[in-house]
Amino acid sequence: NAGVTQTPKFRVLKTGQSMTLLCAQDMNHEYMYWYRQDPGMGLRLIHYSVGEGTTAKGEVPDGYNVSRLKKQNFLLGLESAAPSQTSVYFCASTLAGGYHNEQFFGPGTRLTVL
Amino acid sequence: AQSVTQLDSQVPVFEEAPVELRCNYSSSVSVYLFWYVQYPNQGLQLLLKYLSGSTLVESINGFEAEFNKSQTSFHLRKPSVHISDTAEYFCAVSPMDSNYQLIWGAGTKLIIKP
Repeated sequence: NAGVTQTPKFRVLKTGQSMTLLCAQDMNHEYMYWYRQDPGMGLRLIHYSVGEGTTAKGEVPDGYNVSRLKKQNFLLGLESAAPSQTSVYFCASTLAGGYHNEQFFGPGTRLTVL
Repeated sequence: AQSVTQLDSQVPVFEEAPVELRCNYSSSVSVYLFWYVQYPNQGLQLLLKYLSGSTLVESINGFEAEFNKSQTSFHLRKPSVHISDTAEYFCAVSPMDSNYQLIWGAGTKLIIKP
């Protein structure tokens, strides 16, 4: 049982390049989340999904797109990377409505945009 | 709108000394409360949570937190810290009228001095 995994672990992009971050969970969780973590700002929700085929915007969705084609996978895309998107990205999942269930986190992806 | 304030960005403390990490929140609805811990270069993991019942909750590694509704606080305490407690600690709340959302504090780095 691997829990929540993220690929890649590190990535350096040039401004304007695109990339996709992959999150996978093997716990059969319904809800999945993408956060970004910046120093002194805690975690900010980018997008989330309440089930296969559904996605919704979080607090800071601009510049990102997501897809949830399979229940176990949640992809985060950057179409045209900007230096402001330099951050650590975390994926999380939870079994059902998140407030009473623990969110399980992946190890993170450290992204640098030059 | 809800918000979470962690008053201290860093807390240095000597090993075996007690520590308190402060968390205050603002919400127009009732909330569930969480503390997560992030060890260096890792993802976040749940430390403890308050959903209902006794206002004092404990973790398996000696931390405890007390929900104080009148002061809208959920401070985290440990009577004697160990070097292995070095980490960043995040307070989060989940409004009871939201089934997906966690509102995060900015985090407090606990620095253990030998």
